[in-house]
Amino acid sequence: GAGVSQTPSNKVTEKGKYVELRCDPISGHTALYWYRQSLGQGPEFLIYFQGTGAADDSGLPNDRFFAVRPEGSVSTLKIQRTERGDSAVYLCASSHGGAHTDTQYFGPGTRLTVL
Amino acid sequence: DQQVKQNSPSLSVQEGRISILNCDYTNSMFDYFLWYKKYPAEGPTFLISISSIKDKNEDGRFTVFLNKSAKHLSLHIVPSQPGDSAVYFCAASGAGNTPLVFGKGTRLSVIA
Repeated sequence: GAGVSQTPSNKVTEKGKYVELRCDPISGHTALYWYRQSLGQGPEFLIYFQGTGAADDSGLPNDRFFAVRPEGSVSTLKIQRTERGDSAVYLCASSHGGAHTDTQYFGPGTRLTVL
Repeated sequence: DQQVKQNSPSLSVQEGRISILNCDYTNSMFDYFLWYKKYPAEGPTFLISISSIKDKNEDGRFTVFLNKSAKHLSLHIVPSQPGDSAVYFCAASGAGNTPLVFGKGTRLSVIA
């Protein structure tokens, strides 16, 4: 079956612009996670959805970052007024259960470059 | 302050020998630990996990050992195969369904 997909695979933008990153989770998975992986670092938790609602957004670095999952499936991570420090690979994962320790299935990521 | 530390950025092992990847943690509230493996241009994939009530978990060639008093865990791969060459991330979660905290990863190269 299809795994987690993320689009676009690469995004180059200019400082100050707005970007949207999309995640299509595995069908039937109720939990969806966003992570950010900076160069030389491990994935860093951003936000977690259970169904349509954000169950934990404690990892969002500031109010420029926002994510939605309106129908409980596809999710969009939105970044306003991008800064050069936002450059990273943004990873999405989904899982069948609602615990962070349930096996998370990751997508290939979106590489965001802010010039 | 890094709560999950993988102090070896890279490790090189000959095919057929044992690979040992180490991970240390500082947060005593962590009670569940996972290892993920990542190939280039792909997302991480789950490998093996261990709960703090155990000190060992084995799955085929992969064994994870947990030493709670030392706040240390290790992943053993035996025998190592060239296809094991990847970046390995250690991750931890605390009680109350807290988000995973990942280490920086160790790049394993298995040489044929």
